[in-house]
Amino acid sequence: GNSVTQMEGPVTLSEEAFLTINCTYTATGYPSLFWYVQYPGEGLQLLLKATKADDKGSNKGFEATYRKETTSFHLEKGSVQVSDSAVYFCALSDQNAGNMLTFGGGTRLMVKP
Amino acid sequence: DAGVTQSPTHLIKTRGQQVTLRCSPKSGHDTVSWYQQALGQGPQFIFQYYEEEERQRGNFPDRFSGHQFPNYSSELNVNALLLGDSALYLCASSSGTGGPQPQHFGDGTRLSIL
Repeated sequence: GNSVTQMEGPVTLSEEAFLTINCTYTATGYPSLFWYVQYPGEGLQLLLKATKADDKGSNKGFEATYRKETTSFHLEKGSVQVSDSAVYFCALSDQNAGNMLTFGGGTRLMVKP
Repeated sequence: DAGVTQSPTHLIKTRGQQVTLRCSPKSGHDTVSWYQQALGQGPQFIFQYYEEEERQRGNFPDRFSGHQFPNYSSELNVNALLLGDSALYLCASSSGTGGPQPQHFGDGTRLSIL
């Protein structure tokens, strides 16, 4: 079956530091990959997506590249802000399994001023 | 443009009771999925509705059931509540056609079982 593994948190960084959150996946087909962000007390917001190998998704300074050879989709940002503090979820959807999302366990990011 | 709306926001029930949660999809979306998010974990897929039919189901017991109405809104019903059903229940909507589509989430219903 499909699965997503992401690095455990919390990840604590100082403002303007470089961020990497690792995500690897296992899928039987050719999945689409997503990063969602969840702020306290809220639902999930789509941050970025990539639908095929070597695609780069980007939004709000965050980016991630779909690497089929390493089955990875690591999230990066060059300079984090306090407002980026949230929980980040890596997820995949596989057309062979309908459009359901399979999520990783989430990584909490805390950015200190 | 209203996004996905869920009601109620919070709910407290006792073991053995039944609960109904409601979801209105984002305008233009016809597919509704439900997820359960336990504290500190990622969401787990419960089921998906399209054209008023359950199209796909995750690994959840029959105590979890749903319905989709002609206006695409949806309900999630849980019978014989257990303590372990305490979680944030998320509704997500998407368009059912045109290949894989991003799902848009509501803010969820926080269900607490005493």
